[in-house]
Amino acid sequence: NAGVMQNPRHLVRRRGQEARLRCSPMKGHSHVYWYRQLPEEGLKFMVYLQKENIIDESGMPKERFSAEFPKEGPSILRIQQVVRGDSAAYFCASSPDSASTPPDTQYFGPGTRLTVL
Amino acid sequence: GESVGLHLPTLSVQEGDNSIINCAYSNSASDYFIWYKQESGKGPQFIIDIRSNMDKRQGQRVTVLLNKTVKHLSLQIAATQPGDSAVYFCAEWDRLAFGKGNQVVVIP
Repeated sequence: NAGVMQNPRHLVRRRGQEARLRCSPMKGHSHVYWYRQLPEEGLKFMVYLQKENIIDESGMPKERFSAEFPKEGPSILRIQQVVRGDSAAYFCASSPDSASTPPDTQYFGPGTRLTVL
Repeated sequence: GESVGLHLPTLSVQEGDNSIINCAYSNSASDYFIWYKQESGKGPQFIIDIRSNMDKRQGQRVTVLLNKTVKHLSLQIAATQPGDSAVYFCAEWDRLAFGKGNQVVVIP
């Protein structure tokens, strides 16, 4: 049973380009969370999604950032017109059922390290 | 503002000794806390959790202590091993608020 998969593991973009980060949850998991980790900072919650629905996007910047979790395929975190301040590690986590799921069943992926030049 | 933070940035510990990592939180209404381990280049890994109605919980080689009076949380690792070298951070689950992390370096 493969764990949470994220790709690419490393992504380099120039200012103004778009970044697309992908997250494939664990088999049987229908809930996905995205987090951002800045250097020497703690994880910051960004968005929580179920299949085809955004449940909580309170941590998502209002502009340039969007997320989706289609019926088929991975969850995508999209950052348009990237700036240097977007450079960070982006982690996703998945769980089978968030409503009653304790954190010991929320599994993190290895992260995507985004570098904006 | 409310925050979750760690006291010590780096802890060097001799292999076989016990490690203690501390965490302070400021939201007195927080009910559920978690400790995570994050190895270099990897995602966070759940270690142990504790609810606010408890003051101590034990796992395999790890113990979490919660002092609600002073809003303090600690993680104790017994007989530290080289594989324990990582960043450890605490989190308030109901707020999805995570501390910055405390690097533990195990000296063989």
